[in-house]
Amino acid sequence: NAGVTQTPKFQVLKTGQSMTLQCAQDMNHNSMYWYRQDPGMGLRLIYYSASEGTTDKGEVPNGYNVSRLNKREFSLRLESAAPSQTSVYFCASSENQGLGEQYFGPGTRLTVT
Amino acid sequence: TQLLEQSPQFLSIQEGENLTVYCNSSSVFSSLQWYRQEPGEGPVLLVTVVTGGEVKKLKRLTFQFGDARKDSSLHITAAQPGDTGLYLCAGRNTGNQFYFGTGTSLTVIP
Repeated sequence: NAGVTQTPKFQVLKTGQSMTLQCAQDMNHNSMYWYRQDPGMGLRLIYYSASEGTTDKGEVPNGYNVSRLNKREFSLRLESAAPSQTSVYFCASSENQGLGEQYFGPGTRLTVT
Repeated sequence: TQLLEQSPQFLSIQEGENLTVYCNSSSVFSSLQWYRQEPGEGPVLLVTVVTGGEVKKLKRLTFQFGDARKDSSLHITAAQPGDTGLYLCAGRNTGNQFYFGTGTSLTVIP
């Protein structure tokens, strides 16, 4: 039982390049989330998915797209990276029902130059 | 929009001291969670509080949810170096979205 896994762990991009961050969970959770974490800003929600086939914008969705490939996987794509997207990205999953505790992956540290 | 404000932002104390971290909002949440995050890792859930006025204890940590479900506090008794980390509160709305606080970075000096 690996919980939530993310790849890659580190990535450096040049401005304008594209990339996809991968996330997978093995806890059979319905909801999955993508956050970014910047110093002094806490975690901010980019997109979330309440179930397979559905996605919704969070607080800071501009410049990102997501895909809920199946119940296990939720990917985040940067089509044209900008320096402002330099951040640490976390994926999380939770049950929709009950207390909805979130379980986080180890994060992807992205630098855009 | 930052819905949850935490204070203090930074805290450095000696081992054995007590401390309280506050999480405040003008919004009502269906539940509130506290997480601890260590460098290079994702946040790890400590507790979830649901009912206004609820108090939960986890060893030396005491969590309280405000009566109006807008604020919360975390009190640590006799802090230890192992308590060092970033403490985050997160409020859950009825749409199952979570809003995180700005975080409190705690350092406990041996």
